[in-house]
Amino acid sequence: DTEVTQTPKHLVMGMTNKKSLKCEQHMGHRAMYWYKQKAKKPPELMFVYSYEKLSINESVPSRFSPECPNSSLLNLHLHALQPEDSALYLCASSRGPGPYSYNEQFFGPGTRLTVL
Amino acid sequence: QKEVEQDPGPLSVPEGAIVSLNCTYSNSAFQYFMWYRQYSRKGPELLMYTYSSGNKEDGRFTAQVDKSSKYISLFIRDSQPSDSATYLCAMEGQNFVFGPGTRLSVLP
Repeated sequence: DTEVTQTPKHLVMGMTNKKSLKCEQHMGHRAMYWYKQKAKKPPELMFVYSYEKLSINESVPSRFSPECPNSSLLNLHLHALQPEDSALYLCASSRGPGPYSYNEQFFGPGTRLTVL
Repeated sequence: QKEVEQDPGPLSVPEGAIVSLNCTYSNSAFQYFMWYRQYSRKGPELLMYTYSSGNKEDGRFTAQVDKSSKYISLFIRDSQPSDSATYLCAMEGQNFVFGPGTRLSVLP
């Protein structure tokens, strides 16, 4: 299984809502990532988890809260988002180890988020 | 100067053409070089990665790295309409950076 799955595919939320994005991989990868991608732009790294511990937070606002419950799962909890947070949110995983082992990242299809 | 530069395109070529996609970079600490393909509304898909200078071939794709010139290329032979996508170079050293991407259209 060389797949990273993400749910939901699409999400529309108001600025006062709380929602969560979910990512799952069963490749035994020990590094997992959240990226944000705006239209016609490259993905921007948000968070990196290495061995289920947060190793990198790229100065992301606290309204985005990541969680790694186990080595296969990665969540992104969303609260009080702004319309400018509307984007494609991508999850990725790689073998690791260590915080800088980005080569051979496998990406999920993304969650398209719209904040009204 | 941006760390990684890439011509955004769009680049349009006829089917069967050889496509050359390029990135330049300024950070000599980059050691791993990757090419990703991203179809519209999908996640990026890793095509190739290389560590050292030189060429690496995989089917119709050839990745080339010239560390002395800080220049990497991806060549696509016998291009197909299904190759139409955005191609992102990416580099890893002390940090990880995507290039801005080149939009490619292969016309039947």
